[in-house]
Amino acid sequence: DVKVTQSSRYLVKRTGEKVFLECVQDMDHENMFWYRQDPGLGLRLIYFSYDVKMKEKGDIPEGYSVSREKKERFSLILESASTNQTSMYLCASSWGGGSRLAGGEFTGELFFGEGSRLTVL
Amino acid sequence: GIQVEQSPPDLILQEGANSTLRCNFSDSVNNLQWFHQNPWGQLINLFYIPSGTKQNGRLSATTVATERYSLLYISSSQTTDSGVYFCAVAPNDYKLSFGAGTTVTVRA
Repeated sequence: DVKVTQSSRYLVKRTGEKVFLECVQDMDHENMFWYRQDPGLGLRLIYFSYDVKMKEKGDIPEGYSVSREKKERFSLILESASTNQTSMYLCASSWGGGSRLAGGEFTGELFFGEGSRLTVL
Repeated sequence: GIQVEQSPPDLILQEGANSTLRCNFSDSVNNLQWFHQNPWGQLINLFYIPSGTKQNGRLSATTVATERYSLLYISSSQTTDSGVYFCAVAPNDYKLSFGAGTTVTVRA
């Protein structure tokens, strides 16, 4: 079975703190994603990575950065957490690679981790 | 971007009842998935079904790509089926667009 593991289920941080959310997948998937989910706004894509050290912005990248140094691991970084970043964060992975900008296609089935509920006070 | 509409927004069922959830989308797609979000927030894959029909136990799904809709059928519902069901689609790129979901409550 595909397993996507997120490092923390629940986090409480203070405004201005640097926050790391870690995600590891065990299926050798090329693509990894970070979404956030908010009531009334649904799931929104923050960042996407289609290969090691490669990333593309999603719909709402402002205030976030990402790191993908190894194929199995994709980290989401909040450089200076703010209260409006209180949310449920969901990591996902899929097979299928190639940059959209380079004409690649994503066709794989998406698998999600358990989610990380972040509260910023 | 592509629009995804799910209906109904809410569904209350008695245990043992059958139901149909619908997903309409505004453009052609090469990826369509159904997910169930459990009470703890995890999105569980139900079906990867850009076209055709699939069945898994009491659940089945049909996608008619040419008419831009997909249906999820739940038969003999159980309380563990409660949660939010999401449809997500992607045209010819990486970005899945999610519908707003159908909240299903199954009462014993």
